[in-house]
Amino acid sequence: DAGITQSPRHKVTETGTPVTLRCHQTENHRYMYWYRQDPGHGLRLIHYSYGVKDTDKGEVSDGYSVSRSKTEDFLLTLESATSSQTSVYFCAISVGGAVNGHEQYFGPGTRLTVT
Amino acid sequence: QKEVEQDPGPLSVPEGAIVSLNCTYSNSAFQYFMWYRQYSRKGPELLMYTYSSGNKEDGRFTAQVDKSSKYISLFIRDSQPSDSATYLCAIKDTGNQFYFGTGTSLTVIP
Repeated sequence: DAGITQSPRHKVTETGTPVTLRCHQTENHRYMYWYRQDPGHGLRLIHYSYGVKDTDKGEVSDGYSVSRSKTEDFLLTLESATSSQTSVYFCAISVGGAVNGHEQYFGPGTRLTVT
Repeated sequence: QKEVEQDPGPLSVPEGAIVSLNCTYSNSAFQYFMWYRQYSRKGPELLMYTYSSGNKEDGRFTAQVDKSSKYISLFIRDSQPSDSATYLCAIKDTGNQFYFGTGTSLTVIP
């Protein structure tokens, strides 16, 4: 357990509604990640952060934005939710930095359903 | 071409069997290779990681990397029903990104 919590754990929302998912860590790790997991696609990177206010896009960033105003919190926002964003969202941290940070630990996930 | 490919299975074996899980990857520059285990409705948990080629053993688990053929494997000896889960391979590039296989579902039958 790397001290990662996600909230909410489950959410049902309507198409067109903005949604924010929160990831919180207790160990001040620099690198944080948001993934989505879908059958047949595995885990795909949405965005990641390498420090406060430092973020970059991943493989499937369209329709998502992120913010990190504090080391411990990494927020993922769906500006206008669509049914294709129904998924399980995982937050992760990596230990050791950019070069040696090959140990990645995951939160419990958020199940999001967009109706 | 995807960075990493993994046979989704499902794989079903009797208790005590040796299990072999495999992935292939596309970029010969990758150097860090990981295996994760994911139980139903849980987050992935890191099982093992290896750097470059060779074997790494941890209890009943052995991770193997063959960089010449861009092939990574996880072997589970004396498999137990508690090993029933989805196993994900992952690769880290030289930057900050990790690439995951789609996962292989394993069931160990008592």
